[in-house]
Amino acid sequence: LAKTTQPISMDSYEGQEVNITCSHNNIATNDYITWYQQFPSQGPRFIIQGYKTKVTNEVASLFIPADRKSSTLSLPRVSLSDTAVYYCLVINQAGTALIFGKGTTLSVSS
Amino acid sequence: EPEVTQTPSHQVTQMGQEVILRCVPISNHLYFYWYRQILGQKVEFLVSFYNNEISEKSEIFDDQFSVERPDGSNFTLKIRSTKLEDSAMYFCASSENLDVANSPLHFGNGTRLTVT
Repeated sequence: LAKTTQPISMDSYEGQEVNITCSHNNIATNDYITWYQQFPSQGPRFIIQGYKTKVTNEVASLFIPADRKSSTLSLPRVSLSDTAVYYCLVINQAGTALIFGKGTTLSVSS
Repeated sequence: EPEVTQTPSHQVTQMGQEVILRCVPISNHLYFYWYRQILGQKVEFLVSFYNNEISEKSEIFDDQFSVERPDGSNFTLKIRSTKLEDSAMYFCASSENLDVANSPLHFGNGTRLTVT
């Protein structure tokens, strides 16, 4: 599976839009890009997944350029409760184990 | 929304003892997983389970670990002889189907295992 690289940490203020970019230079044709969120002392929670272009749900948007070598998770108007670790992962087959990296620790301040 | 439930939320055991961590995956899900997270470290994959057998396992999942689906609802992780370094949060997860585009993992809130 393609290795992913994302910033270790990011800081933001309430009400701002936050964009977390992930690099996956070796992504394969069958790979999907998926993002999870983890709050302290809780299990990871699925946020969004995409293959190409743009995907949007009630929580976030995911932008994937045509070459698919990177992706950007966009969180609109963050609040303090969005403080969490965000993981970018690549998956190509249902049931395959997700291998988590260190993720991006997002800290939102008032 | 259906949830993955794990019990107990916190387990304290003495080194060398056996522990069983229990999970009830979401009812129509087909794949089951155990992960662990040592305090301050990343989430580590242990094992995946499908059709009543192990699909994948990591190097961490050695002979002291075993998994079982004893009935139609529970999925358990057994650690035979616990060591201090087994202290961690253990997460169970499940996913629904065979379509990668529509099979996110749903995680429980974990069991915190403390080995003394």
